[in-house]
Amino acid sequence: AQSVTQLGSHVSVSEGALVLLRCNYSSSVPPYLFWYVQYPNQGLQLLLKYTSAATLVKGINGFEAEFKKSETSFHLTKPSAHMSDAAEYFCAVNMRDDKIIFGKGTRLHILP
Amino acid sequence: DAGITQSPRHKVTETGTPVTLRCHQTENHRYMYWYRQDPGHGLRLIHYSYGVKDTDKGEVSDGYSVSRSKTEDFLLTLESATSSQTSVYFCAISENADNEQFFGPGTRLTVL
Repeated sequence: AQSVTQLGSHVSVSEGALVLLRCNYSSSVPPYLFWYVQYPNQGLQLLLKYTSAATLVKGINGFEAEFKKSETSFHLTKPSAHMSDAAEYFCAVNMRDDKIIFGKGTRLHILP
Repeated sequence: DAGITQSPRHKVTETGTPVTLRCHQTENHRYMYWYRQDPGHGLRLIHYSYGVKDTDKGEVSDGYSVSRSKTEDFLLTLESATSSQTSVYFCAISENADNEQFFGPGTRLTVL
C-alpha cells in the first residue's frame, strides 16, 4: 500500500540549531513529493516540492529537502531554527493518480 | 496567494441537521479537493473533483456528498450531521493532478 510516514509527532529544537523533520514514503511509481507548513488557525502552505528534477530541493524560509530514492526518504532540514518556524509540518506524496497522500504531521517546537 | 475562499469559516450545528460548506476559487484550476483535519490523523481526503460534474470519493467519504456545477465552486454536504463529523474542513485546488495543491483557510465545524 502507498503511504507516508513522518517520524515524530513532536520535535523540539533550540533556536539556532539544526532542524530535521523526517519523512519516508512507499510508492509503486516515481512519486512527486511535497512539504507543507501550517501555522495556527491557517491552511497549509507549500514549502517545497520534488518533481524528479534535482534531488536537493530548496524551498521558502531557508528550508530544503533531499530526495533519496534508495532510502525512500524526503527529509526536511533547515540549518538554523528561528522562533517563527514553530508550526506543524506535513510531508505529502503524489502517487500520480489524482490524489495526494499526507503524513500525519510533525509539530515543531522552538526552544529559546 | 491562490484565490480560495471557504464559507462559512465557523459553524455550530446540531446532530441530524444538513450542512453545506462552500469552496470558491478564482484561479480556474481544474482540480478541487475536500479534506478534513483531525488531531492524530493529519489530512484525510473526503472527495475531489477533476472537472465540472466530475467527482470521486476519497478515503473518508461516508456521510458526505459533493457537487461541482461550476469550475469555481465545490460544495461539500453533510446530509445528516453527526458528532463524528466535528472537524476542520479544508478545500484545496490544483491546476492538474501532478501539481501542488493550494489550500483555503478552513472551516471549523462543530456538531453538537
